Amino acid sequence: AQKITQTQPGMFVQEKEAVTLDCTYDTSDPSYGLFWYKQPSSGEMIFLIYQGSYDQQNATEGRYSLNFQKARKSANLVISASQLGDSAMYFCAMREGNDYKLSFGAGTTVTVRA
Amino acid sequence: GAVVSQHPSWVICKSGTSVKIECRSLDFQATTMFWYRQFPKQSLMLMATSNEGSKATYEQGVEKDKFLINHASLTLSTLTVTSAHPEDSSFYICSAHPLAGGPGYYTDTQYFGPGTRLTVL
Repeated sequence: AQKITQTQPGMFVQEKEAVTLDCTYDTSDPSYGLFWYKQPSSGEMIFLIYQGSYDQQNATEGRYSLNFQKARKSANLVISASQLGDSAMYFCAMREGNDYKLSFGAGTTVTVRA
Repeated sequence: GAVVSQHPSWVICKSGTSVKIECRSLDFQATTMFWYRQFPKQSLMLMATSNEGSKATYEQGVEKDKFLINHASLTLSTLTVTSAHPEDSSFYICSAHPLAGGPGYYTDTQYFGPGTRLTVL
């Protein structure tokens, strides 16, 4: 079974608008971490935001926020005030227990239009 | 903080030759590094987990004799693609897990190198 599911292959968003990228996960381990990475066309993977399973509050980092809904097993990424430089592929990932390995979703390509 | 470098950034080689890719954590120590492979417009596929001073742990389906991994120090891991063939052409990315947190980086997170694009002719 897929551990991380990203159902949106691609999205278009207007500059300055907000966009939500969906991510659902599957694990039976009570301790886990959820990550979002950005991969621009250059290929490097840029860490955006992290949410621990025991964190009470949703994580935020500048224009990025993670909408963590534990009961629904979802960890959607919200990018506010989109910029042209946000055009990239975005990956949701999960770490389980004490294992540092990451399971990645299929990714969502975001294209920001001027 | 948490800068990871890879060398080379791209390489073209002839079929049958071996290629070594280096992954270095520049401003932190990493007992664990990971090697991934990525095909165009696809997700990252974990190939192996590299632990300093011990043998790498390979994911199912990854040939350990073809993809040799060495993690000789807390800041360096190498991936050698032996007897490369055109089907080995891909984007190879490493990541490093910090031994301890520091300015702007955390032990919960993997930090990635910029990747190496391998083309085997």
